[in-house]
Amino acid sequence: GAGVSQSPRYKVTKRGQDVTLRCDPISSHATLYWYQQALGQGPEFLTYFNYEAQPDKSGLPSDRFSAERPEGSISTLTIQRTEQRDSAMYRCASSLASDYEQYFGPGTRLTVT
Amino acid sequence: EDQVTQSPEALRLQEGESSSLNCSYTVSGLRGLFWYRQDPGKGPEFLFTLYSAGEEKEKERLKATLTKKESFLHITAPKPEDSATYLCAVAGSARQLTFGSGTQLTVLP
Repeated sequence: GAGVSQSPRYKVTKRGQDVTLRCDPISSHATLYWYQQALGQGPEFLTYFNYEAQPDKSGLPSDRFSAERPEGSISTLTIQRTEQRDSAMYRCASSLASDYEQYFGPGTRLTVT
Repeated sequence: EDQVTQSPEALRLQEGESSSLNCSYTVSGLRGLFWYRQDPGKGPEFLFTLYSAGEEKEKERLKATLTKKESFLHITAPKPEDSATYLCAVAGSARQLTFGSGTQLTVLP
């Protein structure tokens, strides 16, 4: 596609519910990243994929967070049993390969009430 | 652990008043230093990648430079449309990007 897209753009959920966020990267890009961004801060790394492989998930805050990219294109980030502290902007980025510049999507603003 | 510190946190300039933003970093095995621009409500937009000390890159009114410990983003004769948050990030041996908190630039007409 022309750029990285994410859906939904906004999500409000109740504490304890599960949520799934979606990222559609630039079509030629092998590498896909997930970040969490708090207001007034830079993005913080969560995990990344090279095609469908997930070499690093060290940034995931807890085992309630998981991500997948089963066919090496679209990726989902799932948060189980959401907590208020999970409220944040979640950003996806893609790049041709690791070490190349990353192109970011518009983000999903998650609010847990 | 890779670390990035940006200064100042906020900067207000008059149109045409040149200045520089600083990005200090510590990283294990620098694979690249990246500058991004972020407008309110949008994702970061890629500006530059620098790979080794002494490297410089330019784009319109922006020029990025790199030393072994820091990078500078020089803004020459800024315009109000340059107002944004500028983010610096490093890629180390872990291959993930570590971002700074950004410098919020406001250029007044």
